[in-house]
Amino acid sequence: SQTIHQWPATLVQPVGSPLSLECTVEGTSNPNLYWYRQAAGRGLQLLFYSVGIGQISSEVPQNLSASRPQDRQFILSSKKLLLSDSGFYLCAWKGSGQGFYEQYFGPGTRLTVT
Amino acid sequence: AQRVTQPEKLLSVFKGAPVELKCNYSYSGSPELFWYVQYSRQRLQLLLRHISRESIKGFTADLNKGETSFHLKKPFAQEEDSAMYYCALRTNDYKLSFGAGTTVTVRA
Repeated sequence: SQTIHQWPATLVQPVGSPLSLECTVEGTSNPNLYWYRQAAGRGLQLLFYSVGIGQISSEVPQNLSASRPQDRQFILSSKKLLLSDSGFYLCAWKGSGQGFYEQYFGPGTRLTVT
Repeated sequence: AQRVTQPEKLLSVFKGAPVELKCNYSYSGSPELFWYVQYSRQRLQLLLRHISRESIKGFTADLNKGETSFHLKKPFAQEEDSAMYYCALRTNDYKLSFGAGTTVTVRA
């Protein structure tokens, strides 16, 4: 069966420091991968998605970037964190076949920028 | 533009009472809608999809294209139903658009 992992689970970083959050999926190949930020009262904001290695689509211009160096690995990065980057970050995957639209989520990373 | 609206941020009901979570959408194409749920300390998970016409944990949701709604209902709420609920709309082959979420509290 498919599983999705994220780490770290929690992270406290100072303003101006770099960021790297990692997401990996097991048990499936060529998944679509997604990064979301979950904020109270604002729902899930899609940040990036990827339909294949090296293919990244950005939904919201911001201080963050994403990369997909391997088929089942998705990384969220920042060179210099801002206070406003604090939040709960979720990774999700979706099957690449037609007719499969639901997404499956990882456990999330709680990021606090101080 | 595609949009999902969940008008209630918070919903509090007593155990055994009916619960209805509202979801309205705007979409020019043929909609596909989902409900996701996040229980305390658990990951966000799919609750049900409208195309399956299924009942999961006593919840049902009917797509009403005339009213552009996909409300989630359960006739008798249980304490374990306390959670955050998100309505989601497929916007293309790759993406889902989520509502702001409704936090449900079921009181004994």
